[in-house]
Parts: sequence; structure tokens; C-alpha cells
Amino acid sequence: QVQLVQSGAEVKKPGASVKVSCKASGYTLTSYYVHWVRQAPGQGLEWMGVINPSGGGTSYVQRFQGRVAMTRDTSTSTVYMELSSLTSEDTGVYYCARGGSVGGGWSFGDYWGQGTLVTVSP
Amino acid sequence: EIVLTQSPGTLSLSPGEGATLSCRASQSVSSNYLVWYQQKPGQAPRLLIYDASSRATGIPDRFSGSGSGTDFTLTISRLEPEDFAVYYCQQYGISPFNFGQGTKLEIK
Repeated sequence: QVQLVQSGAEVKKPGASVKVSCKASGYTLTSYYVHWVRQAPGQGLEWMGVINPSGGGTSYVQRFQGRVAMTRDTSTSTVYMELSSLTSEDTGVYYCARGGSVGGGWSFGDYWGQGTLVTVSP
Repeated sequence: EIVLTQSPGTLSLSPGEGATLSCRASQSVSSNYLVWYQQKPGQAPRLLIYDASSRATGIPDRFSGSGSGTDFTLTISRLEPEDFAVYYCQQYGISPFNFGQGTKLEIK
């Protein structure tokens, strides 16, 4: 069965960086796009961007441009999301989600990881 | 970018009643590429409806989606206790793939 398993909770200082992993199983990582979505405490969902695990191409929401990097390691079927220059406003749960088939549209997230809580605190 | 506005913000109903949730887009959603998710506390979102009206695998038929262009609706007939949660719409027609702010469905 399709599963996305994310890395554990992180606590970071302001100004630091965090790298969250998302390991895929039950399907071929390079066949589907992967989205990243975050959710601040008690707030709604925010789409951050998408990665094509086949070629590594990415598209980021403008507000994260220059601060986010989505990468992949096809040998371990894992995608990563790194966010730098953290502030308290980056505190929240970060989700990865499988998107559409590579070659088609990025589409929506049909399978989701369990989420990774990132806390930014002095 | 497309802004999605969900209404109402909170809906208070009793089990067995029907629910109607609205999602309005600031401009037409390409090819009706709109999904609905359900999220319960401490859990990841769960896909309910895609392409505005197609039920995802394993979703009960009491959930239905409708609409086109800028106005979309999620209807839940005969609410079950497990249906009380927060519901989000999201468009995936044009980047950025924004979400609505959510509708909380609570037990009356």
C-alpha cells in the first residue's frame, strides 16, 4: 500500500534551517510529483510547492522563494524539504503528499505523510 | 492567484442531518480542478472529492461534490458522528494551489 513516512519533530532556533524527510513506499517515487503543505498551529493549510522526483524540477510559492529547497534521493525513495532563516512564524506541521503522475499535471495530494512538527523557539 | 473563500466558517448540526459547505473562487477554476479534504485533530488531511465531483476511493456515498467555474459545494447527507471535522477545498488548476480557509463542522 502507498505510504509516506516523515521524519520526527524538530525544535530549531530562529535563523536556523530545518530539513524534513518524506520516505515513499508502495509505489515508484519517480512516477509521481510530491507536494509540500504546512499548517500553523490552529490554522489552515498552506501549499508550499511541488517537486518532480524524476528530474528534480521544483516549483515554489513565491513567498518561500529563496528560503525553501525541495530535493530528492531516488536511491532511498525519499524527498526532502529544507526551510532556512526560520522565524517563529514557521512553527507548524509540515506535510508531504503524493501528487499526479509525472508527465501530467501536478494535481492534488491523494496520499499524505503523517506530518512533521517544526517548532521555532529562542 | 486564485483565492478560495469557504462558508460558513463554522456549521453546527446534529447527527442524521444534512450539511452543505460552500467554496467560492475569485476566478474560474480551470477544468473544475477542485478537491475537498477532511481533517480531524492531529491527523493529516484525507481526500474526499477530486475534480469537483468525483469521490475518492473508499469515501462513503453520503459525501458528494458539485459545482463548476467559481462556485463549488460539498454535501454530506445524513451526518455520522465521525463526519464532524474541518473541511478544506483546494484548487489545482493553476499555481499556486491555494486552499480555502476551512469550514469547521461541529456537533450541535
